[in-house]
Amino acid sequence: AQSVTQPDIHITVSEGASLELRCNYSYGATPYLFWYVQSPGQGLQLLLKYFSGDTLVQGIKGFEAEFKRSQSSFNLRKPSVHWSDAAEYFCAVGANNNDMRFGAGTRLTVKP
Amino acid sequence: EAGVAQSPRYKIIEKRQSVAFWCNPISGHATLYWYQQILGQGPKLLIQFQNNGVVDDSQLPKDRFSAERLKGVDSTLKIQPAKLEDSAVYLCASSPRTDTQYFGPGTRLTVL
Repeated sequence: AQSVTQPDIHITVSEGASLELRCNYSYGATPYLFWYVQSPGQGLQLLLKYFSGDTLVQGIKGFEAEFKRSQSSFNLRKPSVHWSDAAEYFCAVGANNNDMRFGAGTRLTVKP
Repeated sequence: EAGVAQSPRYKIIEKRQSVAFWCNPISGHATLYWYQQILGQGPKLLIQFQNNGVVDDSQLPKDRFSAERLKGVDSTLKIQPAKLEDSAVYLCASSPRTDTQYFGPGTRLTVL
């Protein structure tokens, strides 16, 4: 069965610093991979997704993620974090849009 | 375009009481999902509808949870009777066939 591990429960970065959020997955076939962001009291918003093709995926709000099959990873990156990026980030794996499994999330705090 | 609507946004009940949540997906979206998000965890899929048929309800606790999607549009999720461990945010999402899932703001349920 597929599963997702987000090793970091909470990360704090300074505004303007770079960011990398880790995601490792377990899946029997070629996975569909997603990153979502959730602000307090809000639903989840899709940042980016990987289905196939180029392993470096560009998303909204300046985020990108790289699919590394050999490491079963799909880490999220941003070169310069803004205070408004403070939120909870979820990695998910699924068979297209079926049977989605989410990680436990990483809470991002941005220091001024 | 209007997003996924959910109501109520908040609900407090006592254990053994019943509760119902309502979801109105984005117009034209054939697929509808209900997720349970317990504090500190990622969303867990409870049930997936394709139009008004159930695609996956393998993680729905059927002894107390039920869901329906009459006419393939709106959906209701019911818990009867509620337990303390049902305290969570209940998220509804919709997607056009097998594309990206769009999430509503969620209903926060507290069971006392």
